[in-house]
Amino acid sequence: EAEVAQSPRYKITEKSQAVAFWCDPISGHATLYWYRQILGQGPELLVQFQDESVVDDSQLPKDRFSAERLKGVDSTLKIQPAELGDSAMYLCASSLGPGDEQFFGPGTRLTVL
Amino acid sequence: GEDVEQSLFLSVREGDSSVINCTYTDSSSTYLYWYKQEPGAGLQLLTYIFSNMDMKQDQRLTVLLNKKDKHLSLRIADTQTGDSAIYFCAESINTDKLIFGTGTRLQVFP
Repeated sequence: EAEVAQSPRYKITEKSQAVAFWCDPISGHATLYWYRQILGQGPELLVQFQDESVVDDSQLPKDRFSAERLKGVDSTLKIQPAELGDSAMYLCASSLGPGDEQFFGPGTRLTVL
Repeated sequence: GEDVEQSLFLSVREGDSSVINCTYTDSSSTYLYWYKQEPGAGLQLLTYIFSNMDMKQDQRLTVLLNKKDKHLSLRIADTQTGDSAIYFCAESINTDKLIFGTGTRLQVFP
């Protein structure tokens, strides 16, 4: 069964360092989402791609976060520099298109010390 | 505004029914969803309901929607230990963007 892949599963870093997360969506899914889930809360959308284009990054802290999906397939989310408040689970999801069922990956748990 | 609220915790005995509640504020929501998250895993879509419906049943799951009160519930019949997880309700805005609730941790004891 096709799944959304994410790596690494866990990441520990010190504040002010740079971190990057990778997501490989289900093959053929044109829409890709990055969510941040702080402990004890629901996921919050950071950025949404349609193919290689960003369609919603209104909640992305652009001073330190960046996301790209250069060939419209896999995607990278970067944080530089990391801050203590960035500790969270970062979830990637993909769907065939906007409005279709979103399939979630297992997430990357980030701890910033 | 966009705000989805859930109670934090629910504990039930195995074999009993579980009812997880959710309230939302955006009356323009198109679909409302229930997701399940097991420890260390991503979210799994359980079921959804279109905003012009008031009930949907899918095997052990029953979703009730009260659009007037903006209240959504998920009933799990014959709850099993494997149902222990965090359950999130979510509303979709403009059919695409999902707004999630805070999650309800369901604990099933023998």
